[in-house]
Amino acid sequence: NAGVMQNPRHLVRRRGQEARLRCSPMKGHSHVYWYRQLPEEGLKFMVYLQKENIIDESGMPKERFSAEFPKEGPSILRIQQVVRGDSAAYFCASKQGGQNYNEQFFGPGTRLTVL
Amino acid sequence: GDSVTQMEGPVTLSEEAFLTINCTYTATGYPSLFWYVQYPGEGLQLLLKATKADDKGSNKGFEATYRKETTSFHLEKGSVQVSDSAVYFCALGTSGGSNYKLTFGKGTLLTVNP
Repeated sequence: NAGVMQNPRHLVRRRGQEARLRCSPMKGHSHVYWYRQLPEEGLKFMVYLQKENIIDESGMPKERFSAEFPKEGPSILRIQQVVRGDSAAYFCASKQGGQNYNEQFFGPGTRLTVL
Repeated sequence: GDSVTQMEGPVTLSEEAFLTINCTYTATGYPSLFWYVQYPGEGLQLLLKATKADDKGSNKGFEATYRKETTSFHLEKGSVQVSDSAVYFCALGTSGGSNYKLTFGKGTLLTVNP
């Protein structure tokens, strides 16, 4: 009965490197959200994915950020050429269904530090 | 756009004290309202919710009432425990297109001392 799993829990990168954050949703959940929490801020929506589809990416920065949720395997949030301003906690949440409200279950987050 | 403003922390209370964490919102349409709690090192957990005006959400001794006239959803508990120490997030949820989106406040850190 595992919950949402994220790895790594902590990630340190130097400026210009790539960061790959993984999220395994709860069993039976086919919808995944990614949120970013900057220091002293609330969680901000980034992207919403269903298996093999991006449903809403209106919260994603236009450059360097991408997300996928393949048919098999975890969802991946990829940040290319990281900068110090990318340092934040990145949370993944999963839910069962689509448009109507279903509770989102959150993972423990990945804390990214860019040196 | 949608936004949530909640009481800034940190809030420090003694055990058995009364807790209020204020939350107000701005939204188009008729959002649902939520309180999430985040214990150290863990992800956010849904604490309670209310889906329409005058609804009261409650769980584990916590309560919040959806007040449309004041656009508020204040969290209250009559007698806090040390185990309630956590960060509390107020959030609103709205449907838009094919997405149901949550908008969060900044969070309020609560510390309860024995």
